[in-house]
Amino acid sequence: EVQVVDSGGGLVKPGESLRLSCTVSGLIFSDAWMSWVRQAPGKGLDWVGRIKSERSGGTIDYAAPVKGRFIISRDDSRNIVYLQMNSLESEDTAIYYCTHVQGYYIGGDFNAGSHDFWGQGTQVTVSS
Amino acid sequence: DIQMTQSPSTLSASVGDRVTITCRASQSIGSWLAWYRQKPGQAPELLIYHASSLKTGVPSRFSGSGSGTEFTLTINSLEPDDFGAYYCQQYSSYSSVYTFGQGTNLHI
Repeated sequence: EVQVVDSGGGLVKPGESLRLSCTVSGLIFSDAWMSWVRQAPGKGLDWVGRIKSERSGGTIDYAAPVKGRFIISRDDSRNIVYLQMNSLESEDTAIYYCTHVQGYYIGGDFNAGSHDFWGQGTQVTVSS
Repeated sequence: DIQMTQSPSTLSASVGDRVTITCRASQSIGSWLAWYRQKPGQAPELLIYHASSLKTGVPSRFSGSGSGTEFTLTINSLEPDDFGAYYCQQYSSYSSVYTFGQGTNLHI
C-alpha cells in the first residue's frame, strides 16, 4: 500500500522560510515523480511544482507564483521529497499536499501527470 | 500557461440523478486530463486519468470523455457520498506546468 505523509507546516512571518517534508512508502521511490499542490482557505487546488525521477532526468518545474522562491528536492536514499519555501508571503497561506505523479503507458507511450496518491496535507500560515 | 475552465461552478442534484461537469482547456491538451473529487476536510482523490481511464477501485458510475480542448466528467446514479468539489487538471506533455480548473461544488 502506497503511503504519502507530509509534514513541516506551521506559522511563520512574512519574509521567513519554511521547509516541508514528504515521506513515501510502498513504491520504488527512486522511480517516482513527485509534486506539491496547495489549497488556500476556501479556494481551489493550485499546482506548486514537480520533480521527476533521476532516471527521467530529474527535471524540476514550478508554477509562476512560486518560481524563484520555492525549491523542490529529493533524497532517494531516504524516500523523502522536500519543499523549501523562502520569502514567504501571506498569499502562500494554504494546506500543502505532497502527491505522487502517476506514470502509465498507453499505446506504448509513457505518460505522466495525474496525481494518484496524496498526503494528508500540512498547514502553512504566513502572518505577522 | 494553459488555462482550465470548469462549468458549472456549483451544481445541485438529487440522489439517483445523472450529472455532467465540463472542463475546457485554453489550448489543445490531447487526452492529458485528470478528474479529482475532494470531500470536505479531506485530500483530493483521483477518479479519472488520460481523460477517460478509470482509476482502479473507483466506482463505474464515474466516467470521463473528451480530447483536445473539451472534456466532461459524468456521474451516473448519484449517491450521497458523491457530494464535494470536483476538479479537472491538465498535464499536457507540451507544457512544463500542470494546471487545475477552478472546481465545481456538487451539492446533493
